[in-house]
Amino acid sequence: DAGITQSPRHKVTETGTPVTLRCHQTENHRYMYWYRQDPGHGLRLIHYSYGVKDTDKGEVSDGYSVSRSKTEDFLLTLESATSSQTSVYFCATAPTGTFQETQYFGPGTRLLVL
Amino acid sequence: GDSVTQMEGPVTLSEEAFLTINCTYTATGYPSLFWYVQYPGEGLQLLLKATKADDKGSNKGFEATYRKETTSFHLEKGSVQVSDSAVYFCASADVNRDDKIIFGKGTRLHILP
Repeated sequence: DAGITQSPRHKVTETGTPVTLRCHQTENHRYMYWYRQDPGHGLRLIHYSYGVKDTDKGEVSDGYSVSRSKTEDFLLTLESATSSQTSVYFCATAPTGTFQETQYFGPGTRLLVL
Repeated sequence: GDSVTQMEGPVTLSEEAFLTINCTYTATGYPSLFWYVQYPGEGLQLLLKATKADDKGSNKGFEATYRKETTSFHLEKGSVQVSDSAVYFCASADVNRDDKIIFGKGTRLHILP
């Protein structure tokens, strides 16, 4: 299993505040992803990274930004949190990002925006 | 656009029952197909996958066959256990979608002892 950790694991915040979630991996995988999981929607891609300082948008990127300054760390920032961003956030990694490849998931961060 | 559709849950079965969770996909190309499983309080992990038509993926007693003619990838297990209680996600990834994975909405499975 890829060593993927996420911090914090749980967070409660107020509307309008910025929030940063961290994903850390020890497997030297090139690709990293942020997903959100919501009832009735499965997992939806927010942003992904294909290398240090190389990132791109997913299908639900509005209100989120990301940064990757090191191979092992991928940060997700909610610039001004809203209640619609209450969700469970998962980070995933993959060695080369090809369509036949398995993704490895972290344990998730449960975020509540009041 | 491309999509993955899986049966609505929750599905409740008794231990040792036969399990089928249906999954169908739409794609313009020839995607890879996956089943991921999420145990309570954990992230997703790969259960099995198939990368071309007629391939069968298998793991932990679960099986799924990539059926191009019916665009399906149904998950089956002959005798479920209480420890199989989890949420199961069908997914597809296609080079025509920049290799990105699309997940189904998930099917929650409860196994009663």
